Amino acid sequence: QVQLVESGGGLVRPGGSLRLSCATSGFILSDFGIHWFRQAPGKGLEWVAYIQHDGNLREYLPSVWGRFTVSRDNSKNMIYLHMSSLKPEDTATYFCGKDYDYSSDQWGRGALVTVSA
Amino acid sequence: QSALTQPPSASGSPGQSVTLSCIGTGTHHVSWYQQHPGEVPRLLIYEIFKRPSGVPDRFSGSKSGNVASLTISGLQTDDEADYYCCSYTFNTGNNYYVFGTGTKVTVL
Repeated sequence: QVQLVESGGGLVRPGGSLRLSCATSGFILSDFGIHWFRQAPGKGLEWVAYIQHDGNLREYLPSVWGRFTVSRDNSKNMIYLHMSSLKPEDTATYFCGKDYDYSSDQWGRGALVTVSA
Repeated sequence: QSALTQPPSASGSPGQSVTLSCIGTGTHHVSWYQQHPGEVPRLLIYEIFKRPSGVPDRFSGSKSGNVASLTISGLQTDDEADYYCCSYTFNTGNNYYVFGTGTKVTVL
């Protein structure tokens, strides 16, 4: 079955960097775009980034533009989110999700990122 | 990037219908998600009114102008959850998605 599993979360100081990984299985990754979402503790959902199936199109939430970079390695069935210049307001659980016609029909369980001094 | 506006709460008795609104949706790429506490969001509706396989037809979507709506018919206790709309936004040089503020549905 389709699975997405995030990893790489943790505690990082403001201004620091972190790379999240999303391991996929159960589908042909090279056929699908992948989204990153986040949810701050007790708050609502927020979309973060998208990468097209071949990596040629990448889209970002304006507030992370220039700080976050999404990438993929289809040969390894992996998606990455490199986050730099992290701010306390980036604290959230980060989810990767498989694209489904401008939505996401399969989500991972998430990885918690805490930005704090 | 301002969030789409959703009422914070809605409620209904089992068997009743409830309609949730989402103000600010500028394109037809509108989706709806259900999230139970501690759970991962579940896709209910995409492209305004389309249902993925496995989603009951009790859930239906529509849109008029910049307001999208999700109707839950025949409310069930398991429908008690948070519901979020999401819209794809065209922005010169960088398109992006915006979620709504979320509506907590209570089944009385």
